[in-house]
Amino acid sequence: DAGITQSPRHKVTETGTPVTLRCHQTENHRYMYWYRQDPGHGLRLIHYSYGVKDTDKGEVSDGYSVSRSKTEDFLLTLESATSSQTSVYFCAISGGSGNTIYFGEGSWLTVV
Amino acid sequence: DQQVKQNSPSLSVQEGRISILNCDYTNSMFDYFLWYKKYPAEGPTFLISISSIKDKNEDGRFTVFLNKSAKHLSLHIVPSQPGDSAVYFCAASVRGSTLGRLYFGRGTQLTVWP
Repeated sequence: DAGITQSPRHKVTETGTPVTLRCHQTENHRYMYWYRQDPGHGLRLIHYSYGVKDTDKGEVSDGYSVSRSKTEDFLLTLESATSSQTSVYFCAISGGSGNTIYFGEGSWLTVV
Repeated sequence: DQQVKQNSPSLSVQEGRISILNCDYTNSMFDYFLWYKKYPAEGPTFLISISSIKDKNEDGRFTVFLNKSAKHLSLHIVPSQPGDSAVYFCAASVRGSTLGRLYFGRGTQLTVWP
């Protein structure tokens, strides 16, 4: 296990409501990422962080914001959820001694 | 525009035989490639990787081959086992960028039957 916890694991929300997904790591890795997985698209990068308070956009960042106030926590916020944001969201980390990226178990979000 | 392509959405192989999963890419700046395995309702699990300075990397039953001139890589699983049944994702990283900025293919569903 890579020491990554995502919460909530499952959520159903209504269109227009704000939603925050949390990623918590115990590995003290510098880099953290949020990906989404949709049928026919594989995984696509939403946002990533390269340190506390340091974040940048990925391929599909529109409609999402992120924050990282502590090394171990990376939050993904949907300010006003839309049905197109129904997806599975994966947090990932990297930056340890190994040259790879580890994923969390996913958060299933349904926007109705 | 899909920069990493897995053109076979599914592959079915008998137990004990070789499974070959293919991946093509278009961006010549990619210099690090990874394969992930994913079971339903779980996160992707890292399997094996290869740097562009190599053309082969082996780890137990898993071998990844990289053909830079063809912009093609493949994952060989020998021998295949029923527990290998999963979706396999090919991913690539651009030279000089953050390691975790990965570009993924759409995945190939591998089914290994007894």
